[in-house]
Amino acid sequence: NAGVTQTPKFQVLKTGQSMTLQCAQDMNHEYMSWYRQDPGMGLRLIHYSVGAGITDQGEVPNGYNVSRSTTEDFPLRLLSAAPSQTSVYFCASSSPLFSSAFDTGELFFGEGSRLTVL
Amino acid sequence: KNEVEQSPQNLTAQEGEFITINCSYSVGISALHWLQQHPGGGIVSLFMLSSGKKKHGRLIATINIQEKHSSLHITASHPRDSAVYICAAHYGGSQGNLIFGKGTKLSVKP
Repeated sequence: NAGVTQTPKFQVLKTGQSMTLQCAQDMNHEYMSWYRQDPGMGLRLIHYSVGAGITDQGEVPNGYNVSRSTTEDFPLRLLSAAPSQTSVYFCASSSPLFSSAFDTGELFFGEGSRLTVL
Repeated sequence: KNEVEQSPQNLTAQEGEFITINCSYSVGISALHWLQQHPGGGIVSLFMLSSGKKKHGRLIATINIQEKHSSLHITASHPRDSAVYICAAHYGGSQGNLIFGKGTKLSVKP
């Protein structure tokens, strides 16, 4: 199993450009989410999904778009990049908490994507 | 607003010392995660617990539901334990209800 694969690892954008951060998991997890990590702050939730076709906003959704057409993939789109979106982005997946003996709710993270917007 | 507070923010220890990192949260939760973020940036899950105590190698995590408090202990600390340790409280069953602490940066000196 590859776990959670996140690409690209590094990206530099100019203000106004758009891009997509890719996230894929091969563990058949229902839950997937995107976080951003900024200095001095905890991880903050951008968007999340509880299954294919279902997405919802987190704490800091503005400027980002997501879709979940398959269980495996959960891309994050920056529509028009701004310097305030300079951050490290993490994708995570998990199974539901306690829904079965095998669903531990353990979080699996991608390696992170460092995005700089000039 | 649900909050997760960690202490200390920074911790320096000598190799071999016993280390405790604390996490407190504001309201009832369904579970709490302890995560480790390596200097290279990757995040791995150490524990997920909803009650009692869990142990894995030199790491021990405890949670007191009534006191809304969890601790992560590292016995016989080693320089390779140097990392940022993050607790995250799960309010309800969805990932949308996961609140993260700001992390505790641990440095273990040889």
